[in-house]
Amino acid sequence: EDKVVQSPLSLVVHEGDTVTLNCSYEVTNFRSLLWYKQEKKAPTFLFMLTSSGIEKKSGRLSSILDKKELFSILNITATQTGDSAIYLCAAPLGAGSYQLTFGKGTKLSVIP
Amino acid sequence: NAGVTQTPKFQVLKTGQSMTLQCAQDMNHEYMSWYRQDPGMGLRLIHYSVGAGITDQGEVPNGYNVSRSTTEDFPLRLLSAAPSQTSVYFCASRSLGTRTGELFFGEGSRLTVL
Repeated sequence: EDKVVQSPLSLVVHEGDTVTLNCSYEVTNFRSLLWYKQEKKAPTFLFMLTSSGIEKKSGRLSSILDKKELFSILNITATQTGDSAIYLCAAPLGAGSYQLTFGKGTKLSVIP
Repeated sequence: NAGVTQTPKFQVLKTGQSMTLQCAQDMNHEYMSWYRQDPGMGLRLIHYSVGAGITDQGEVPNGYNVSRSTTEDFPLRLLSAAPSQTSVYFCASRSLGTRTGELFFGEGSRLTVL
């Protein structure tokens, strides 16, 4: 059964800290893994990682994919209170499927 | 830039009542889906559609119906609301022409069943 597991489920850090969020996956015929940020409302897209693109970076956020060990990490450096959110990891289900399977998310709280 | 529009944003129902959550997208996306989000449970897929006239069940379909008569609209119907259906519901869509799988989400509809 395809699944996506995130850890930790919640995390509290101080502003300026660096955090690492984890996502492990078991997905038939892996095609991509996506990271989303959810603040008060709808999830917003952060990164997509594929077999041909295993590292992405945008400002203080970066993500890598380890296809051999079947996991991805999302790093946030110099955290700010605006980084407080739920971070969701997702992957399309098996071959030919269009549905995204989401992990339970990591709730990140950044305190001043 | 409307994107994915959901209505209503908030709704309170009594047990046994029925209602429809509306979802419309203006991006000509073939794929549309409904998720529910509960604390500590992440996003769970209820139903999805890959085009007009085609729908299928997701992970948690019981108690919900959908239809897709047009590319733009994908309503979610609760036939007889139960307290277990108290949740935040998200509609999401994407183009099947991309390999990325990126979904575009609506703002969500918070439903409370008493």
